[in-house]
Amino acid sequence: DQQVKQNSPSLSVQEGRISILNCDYTNSMFDYFLWYKKYPAEGPTFLISISSIKDKNEDGRFTVFLNKSAKHLSLHIVPSQPGDSAVYFCAAIRLQKLVFGQGTRLTINP
Amino acid sequence: ETGVTQSPTHLIKTRGQQVTLRCSSQSGHNTVSWYQQALGQGPQFIFQYYREEENGRGNFPPRFSGLQFPNYSSELNVNALELDDSALYLCASSLGASGYSSYNEQFFGPGTRLTVL
Repeated sequence: DQQVKQNSPSLSVQEGRISILNCDYTNSMFDYFLWYKKYPAEGPTFLISISSIKDKNEDGRFTVFLNKSAKHLSLHIVPSQPGDSAVYFCAAIRLQKLVFGQGTRLTINP
Repeated sequence: ETGVTQSPTHLIKTRGQQVTLRCSSQSGHNTVSWYQQALGQGPQFIFQYYREEENGRGNFPPRFSGLQFPNYSSELNVNALELDDSALYLCASSLGASGYSSYNEQFFGPGTRLTVL
């Protein structure tokens, strides 16, 4: 039962353009959401989060949007840079349990 | 300030054996969580320890057990290994077990790659 889904296994974007990574969830009881970035041979690193009481949170080049009615969140990266090439995971929290999506591999092309 | 470290980096075991994985938390952190990441999947929550007590558990059988020590380092033990236990095991440390903002400051180790033959 995949409660958090990232339906795109991979995404390729040109340097300087916007990258949009998507995530859907099924459990309406989730009340906090996070995005992580993972490089090979390293653990995931926290990028940005959003509470369910908000619909947008911005941190530099990274913006997360939450649409609760659609149970959908997205991560926008603008402008995309070569160092952004990594696997991105969205995650949701309920009762101290962190539930991850399957990940999307983002490749930024020069 | 040291980061989260895990040992060993890689491990090969055979079915039915037992394994112990170790995690050293970020300095000052009192909470550790363990995750299993199968190939092509996201990490799955196994359990969390806060000040040496289990503070939540995911859908894993009892043969997955853990310990947290007074210095907040931690062990994950898996008994009666099965082929499906082959995965990357991640630990993550944070300060405090309540409040969602603590997850913003949760740091992951690089993981232990376990292969069960």
